[in-house]
Amino acid sequence: DSGVTQTPKHLITATGQRVTLRCSPRSGDLSVYWYQQSLDQGLQFLIQYYNGEERAKGNILERFSAQQFPDLHSELNLSSLELGDSALYFCASSVESGTSGSDEQFFGPGTRLTVL
Amino acid sequence: QQQVKQSPQSLIVQKGGISIINCAYENTAFDYFPWYQQFPGKGPALLIAIRPDVSEKKEGRFTISFNKSAKQFSLHIMDSQPGDSATYFCAASTSSGSARQLTFGSGTQLTVLP
Repeated sequence: DSGVTQTPKHLITATGQRVTLRCSPRSGDLSVYWYQQSLDQGLQFLIQYYNGEERAKGNILERFSAQQFPDLHSELNLSSLELGDSALYFCASSVESGTSGSDEQFFGPGTRLTVL
Repeated sequence: QQQVKQSPQSLIVQKGGISIINCAYENTAFDYFPWYQQFPGKGPALLIAIRPDVSEKKEGRFTISFNKSAKQFSLHIMDSQPGDSATYFCAASTSSGSARQLTFGSGTQLTVLP
């Protein structure tokens, strides 16, 4: 158990809908990352938040957005869903205190999204 | 370039054998190279990581070899066991600045035969 929790575990929805995925980082971790894992694209970085602020964006669609709350949990919002958005969505957290050894990212169990 | 290229795509090894997975990167700004292990239905789990100031790091049966000039690194699993059967991902990131996202290889599905 990495200490990172994600809910829900599974999500089935229809095209055009909007969903919210939730992530709670490990205790003490300030950084949260979102990754998408699909068969054709592999594991791809979407977005990073550090202590409530957006720090980096990857291949995240405009239909997707995220935020990190004062208690450090994060939510990934996916809207106008398409069939191609079906994937595993992982959240990872790290300390990132700037010191050596703080780069380790610990992944949650993921949310499997199925868009029908 | 942000790519990390990983090979082979799949690997079958006999129990007790050595499993070797290779990765190559292009971005010379990368200075942190972790390997992750993923079982079906689970999230990736950090296995071992290396920084470019050393050429090799060993933890138990797992060893990373790093060649900075060739921009290549590899994972060696000694005495491979059926329980090692999983998908392995190499990754790379920078450890300077605020953006430290991981760039992943495409993964290697390892099967260790009993």
